[in-house]
Amino acid sequence: GENVEQHPSTLSVQEGDSAVIKCTYSDSASNYFPWYKQELGKRPQLIIDIRSNVGEKKDQRIAVTLNKTAKHFSLHITETQPEDSAVYFCAASNTGNQFYFGTGTSLTVIP
Amino acid sequence: DAGVTQSPTHLIKTRGQHVTLRCSPISGHKSVSWYQQVLGQGPQFIFQYYEKEERGRGNFPDRFSARQFPNYSSELNVNALLLGDSALYLCASSHGDRGANQPQHFGDGTRLSIL
Repeated sequence: GENVEQHPSTLSVQEGDSAVIKCTYSDSASNYFPWYKQELGKRPQLIIDIRSNVGEKKDQRIAVTLNKTAKHFSLHITETQPEDSAVYFCAASNTGNQFYFGTGTSLTVIP
Repeated sequence: DAGVTQSPTHLIKTRGQHVTLRCSPISGHKSVSWYQQVLGQGPQFIFQYYEKEERGRGNFPDRFSARQFPNYSSELNVNALLLGDSALYLCASSHGDRGANQPQHFGDGTRLSIL
């Protein structure tokens, strides 16, 4: 099955700086890569996703890049704000709609 | 529109008991997936159901079973509970059309504690 690795496990940045979270996957059949934000005690919320036919996608301060050859994808958050503090999960899925998640990155934005 | 709803929100059981967790998907969503999230870890895939059929199963023992009903709601059953089954159980729904991945939307989960 698919194996998704995520780094770093914890990340602290100053407010206004950028944050980058990286994931690798093992199954070359995976073609959909969503990112979820989970605040303490709350449900995971989809923040951005990318499909394998696209190399980069942006949504305001959030961007995701995908390198299919190397089997890795990254989340970039610019101009971080305290409300960006949360745990972020990457995931990979094939057309079977079965999602495999990374172990999470706890992001702390220091005011 | 209502989001994915799960019940109960919290549950306490003892070892050896069984439990049934329930999930109602977003209206119009035909696919339901179940995940186990242990504290400090990412969600682990347990089952996916689409149009009442099991379409995928993760690496979980046979003590775990599930089903999907004609209205697309779903139940997750766990028998012979072990201490290690203590976790947050998340349900996610999507449109589920095969051949094209659809975003999954999660419920708030059921917090299961085994004593």
